[in-house]
Amino acid sequence: DVKVTQSSRYLVKRTGEKVFLECVQDMDHENMFWYRQDPGLGLRLIYFSYDVKMKEKGDIPEGYSVSREKKERFSLILESASTNQTSMYLCASGNPGNQPQHFGDGTRLSIL
Amino acid sequence: DQQVKQNSPSLSVQEGRISILNCDYTNSMFDYFLWYKKYPAEGPTFLISISSIKDKNEDGRFTVFLNKSAKHLSLHIVPSQPGDSAVYFCAASTQTGANNLFFGTGTRLTVIP
Repeated sequence: DVKVTQSSRYLVKRTGEKVFLECVQDMDHENMFWYRQDPGLGLRLIYFSYDVKMKEKGDIPEGYSVSREKKERFSLILESASTNQTSMYLCASGNPGNQPQHFGDGTRLSIL
Repeated sequence: DQQVKQNSPSLSVQEGRISILNCDYTNSMFDYFLWYKKYPAEGPTFLISISSIKDKNEDGRFTVFLNKSAKHLSLHIVPSQPGDSAVYFCAASTQTGANNLFFGTGTRLTVIP
């Protein structure tokens, strides 16, 4: 079974803090993704990576950065957290071509 | 601009009946379509997919239909069970690039016992 593990299920941070969300996958997938899910908006892509040290912006990259130093690990960084970044964050991994992405259980992040 | 749309935010169905969830898309370059199911406090779980070379794919109680000319797909669940109650997302992608998925906004299905 594919396993995508996100480091925290719930996280509470303060405005202006630097926040790190970690994700690890165990299926040797080429691609990894970070999404956020908000009510009425579905899942929106923040950043993705198709190889180690490679990254591409998704639909809503502003205020975020990512790091992929190893194939199995993909980190999302909120450089200076703001209240509008309160959301559910979902990490996914998959291979190129017509293959499904597999998701972690998500991190519910609250910025106070 | 939402390229994948699920116009029904919610759907209620009696146990044992058919559930039909609908999805429309605007980008004619999409060639791979998926349905995910999501329970509260969990990540989306892959359910079923279909390539644009097909118009139907079946897996047990779940069948996905694709109408390319109408840019429409639907998920049929027969028979519906209370455990099917969840939010269902449709998603679409092209073969180019890293297989980015474009998601709809989701439909909450409630199966009434």
